[in-house]
Amino acid sequence: AQSVTQLGSHVSVSEGALVLLRCNYSSSVPPYLFWYVQYPNQGLQLLLKYTTGATLVKGINGFEAEFKKSETSFHLTKPSAHMSDAAEYFCAVKSTGNQFYFGTGTSLTVIP
Amino acid sequence: DTEVTQTPKHLVMGMTNKKSLKCEQHMGHRAMYWYKQKAKKPPELMFVYSYEKLSINESVPSRFSPECPNSSLLNLHLHALQPEDSALYLCASSQEMPADTQYFGPGTRLTVL
Repeated sequence: AQSVTQLGSHVSVSEGALVLLRCNYSSSVPPYLFWYVQYPNQGLQLLLKYTTGATLVKGINGFEAEFKKSETSFHLTKPSAHMSDAAEYFCAVKSTGNQFYFGTGTSLTVIP
Repeated sequence: DTEVTQTPKHLVMGMTNKKSLKCEQHMGHRAMYWYKQKAKKPPELMFVYSYEKLSINESVPSRFSPECPNSSLLNLHLHALQPEDSALYLCASSQEMPADTQYFGPGTRLTVL
C-alpha cells in the first residue's frame, strides 16, 4: 500500500523567505516521487520528480527537493519565495503501474 | 510538445442533459486518465486507459462513461449528473513506465444545476 502525507495544509511565507513544503510517503517498494503545482482554475504542472540517481532534484522556477530514504521524505524547497509562487502544491508517489497517489495538498501563500 | 488539451473549458448542464468532455494529446502516450477534483482537494482518479483499453475504473457511477476512440483521444460522456458532480475534470496522459510523468490538461470546470 502506498500513501502520501503533506504536513501543513496551509503555509504562509514572506516574499524572499525560504519555502519549505513537507512530504512523507509510505511505499512497500522503491518509489517514484513527484511534486506538482496547481494555479487557480488550471491543471497540474510538474515541478520536479525523483526516479533514481541523485537524491537532490532540481526543478522549474527555482524549486528543488531531496529524497531521503531513511526518513521516507521528499520535501520541496525554494530559497526565496516570489509572489508568483502562491499556488496549491501536491506531492505524489508511484511505484509500479500507472496509478498516482496524491497527498492532500499544501496551499502556499506569499505575503508581500 | 507536452500539451494535453481539453474542451470545453467550462460546462454548465442540467441534471437531465447529456454532454461530453474531450481530451487530446499528441505526445504518443499510451496511458490516459480522467480525474475529478473538488476545490482545495487532490485529484481523484476515475478511469485509466492503457493502449486504448480501460484498465482501471475506480468504482465510478455509471452516469460517467469513458471512451477512448484512439490513442490520442479520450472522451468522458455525462448523463443524468447530480449537483455533487460539479467539479474540475482533469485529463492526463503518460507513457507506460511507472517513472514517467503524467501530463495534465487545464481541465473542464463542470457545473451541474
